[in-house]
Amino acid sequence: GAGVSQTPSNKVTEKGKYVELRCDPISGHTALYWYRQSLGQGPEFLIYFQGTGAADDSGLPNDRFFAVRPEGSVSTLKIQRTERGDSAVYLCASRLAGGTGELFFGEGSRLTVL
Amino acid sequence: SQQGEEDPQALSIQEGENATMNCSYKTSINNLQWYRQNSGRGLVHLILIRSNEREKHSGRLRVTLDTSKKSSSLLITASRAADTASYFCATDHTGTASKLTFGTGTRLQVTL
Repeated sequence: GAGVSQTPSNKVTEKGKYVELRCDPISGHTALYWYRQSLGQGPEFLIYFQGTGAADDSGLPNDRFFAVRPEGSVSTLKIQRTERGDSAVYLCASRLAGGTGELFFGEGSRLTVL
Repeated sequence: SQQGEEDPQALSIQEGENATMNCSYKTSINNLQWYRQNSGRGLVHLILIRSNEREKHSGRLRVTLDTSKKSSSLLITASRAADTASYFCATDHTGTASKLTFGTGTRLQVTL
């Protein structure tokens, strides 16, 4: 596609529920990132994929968070047993392998946990 | 954790004035990037400066890097109301862009 696409743009859920957030990167971009951004803060790194594998998942806060990218394109961020503290904007970005290092971001998925 | 700290946290100027924002970081970098974020939107890449570069220009943007002080500055000249946004620096410590670490951001308001 023309840009990084994220769905849903907004998600409101109740504490304890399961949530999936989807990211469709720019076609041909092998690197994919998930970041989380709280109000008034900069993006916080969660996980980085190179192709299908998670090359760096050191930013995932705990085992309730998991992300997959089974075919090396679309990625899904999964959050189990959501907590109010998970409320944030979840940003996805992609990058061309061997490129300049510039990340292309989607518009984000705003998650609100009541 | 957020590696970079930006200064000031907020900046308000009039159209036509220059805006300068600063970024400091803690550990050595391969490159440093600046991004812009309009309210409620995703981030947009502005400029990248490598660790062996000291200054870079792109249109009305000028970025400097001082690796001895572990700091960078972004200058926007002749600001416009449309420049109103948050600006973030992001550091690449790996050389592979496998993890960009973002700063806390500067919120710039440009008034007419």
